[in-house]
Amino acid sequence: EAGVAQSPRYKIIEKRQSVAFWCNPISGHATLYWYQQILGQGPKLLIQFQNNGVVDDSQLPKDRFSAERLKGVDSTLKIQPAKLEDSAVYLCASSLDGGIYEQYFGPGTRLTVT
Amino acid sequence: EDKVVQSPLSLVVHEGDTVTLNCSYEVTNFRSLLWYKQEKKAPTFLFMLTSSGIEKKSGRLSSILDKKELFSILNITATQTGDSAVYLCAVEGGSNYKLTFGKGTLLTVNP
Repeated sequence: EAGVAQSPRYKIIEKRQSVAFWCNPISGHATLYWYQQILGQGPKLLIQFQNNGVVDDSQLPKDRFSAERLKGVDSTLKIQPAKLEDSAVYLCASSLDGGIYEQYFGPGTRLTVT
Repeated sequence: EDKVVQSPLSLVVHEGDTVTLNCSYEVTNFRSLLWYKQEKKAPTFLFMLTSSGIEKKSGRLSSILDKKELFSILNITATQTGDSAVYLCAVEGGSNYKLTFGKGTLLTVNP
């Protein structure tokens, strides 16, 4: 079974620029998660989708971050404008039915904001 | 605010040693505690614990949960260099049963 795909794997931008990340979950997985992992910290949930509806976005900085899940499959996460403190690895994960223990993570996108 | 604290933050051992990693938590609406292993990429799932006192085992790894004292331990026996990684503890809970992660324990196993 193919895993969770993410692109790009690495991105370097200057502050105030915008950036977008893409995630393709495992086929048939209804639930999709975006996490932010700052160096030396555990992942922090940014947003959770069930199909194409948002379940939880309480920790998403909505003034600069946005996310969408097209047709309940692929998802994009956007940052506009980026700040230095957004430098992190952005992990996408998916699960079959929202059960946390079945969550599979993608390889992540490492973002560096200079 | 939900909180997960792991200790130690880093640990260096020699191959063959046994290690114990700790995870304590404060979370509302607790549902489960999970352990992940993270090498230089995405976290991979190790265990999910929901009941106190029941040990989960997988090879040289085992874990147990104490819901009264609000902590869990992850044991690794006869460590190998391939066990070198960050071990993350996460607790499912809160208003939407989301995962809250600890900072992780960086384990280094030297030959």
